[in-house]
Amino acid sequence: DARVTQTPRHKVTEMGQEVTMRCQPILGHNTVFWYRQTMMQGLELLAYFRNRAPLDDSGMPKDRFSAEMPDATLATLKIQPSEPRDSAVYFCASGLVLGQPQHFGDGTRLSIL
Amino acid sequence: QQPVQSPQAVILREGEDAVINCSSSKALYSVHWYRQKHGEAPVFLMILLKGGEQKGHDKISASFNEKKQQSSLYLTASQLSYSGTYFCGTEIKGGAQKLVFGQGTRLTINP
Repeated sequence: DARVTQTPRHKVTEMGQEVTMRCQPILGHNTVFWYRQTMMQGLELLAYFRNRAPLDDSGMPKDRFSAEMPDATLATLKIQPSEPRDSAVYFCASGLVLGQPQHFGDGTRLSIL
Repeated sequence: QQPVQSPQAVILREGEDAVINCSSSKALYSVHWYRQKHGEAPVFLMILLKGGEQKGHDKISASFNEKKQQSSLYLTASQLSYSGTYFCGTEIKGGAQKLVFGQGTRLTINP
């Protein structure tokens, strides 16, 4: 079965450090989503891309977060500098057009000390 | 814009039925349902695109009332494997092509 692959699965780092999370979408999917999940906020959409172009990053703190899609097989989410409040599970999902299912990766469990 | 799910949590005995509701304040293009088990990723269950549409597989089904901007997920004769948190996600008509998830409904099935 085709799967969305995320790396790393777990990341523990100290406040102030740069964090990079990577996502390989399912081959052929043209839309990539980044979500953050916490107990308090649930599943929040941070940003998404269609055909590698950023369509919406309104859910992302602009001063420290950035998302890119350098090619069709790789999406990245960076946090610089990281803060303890960024601790969460970050999911990448990929899909096709409106009205089609999204397929989630296993997530990156991030802890900022 | 976030849809509202109810109830927030349900505890059932194996074999009992449950209904989870999802309501939006906006006109909807589609409603997605996902299930997430503890420590795992959300898994797609089904999408409803048309008002009045009903879908289902196994003993899990859903309906979409477009006029009321609501969807309901039905779990009948629940099994232990149904335990998890259920999320609805909504795509708004005429809005950005993105999914906004509800806060989730935690379903616990006891033997």
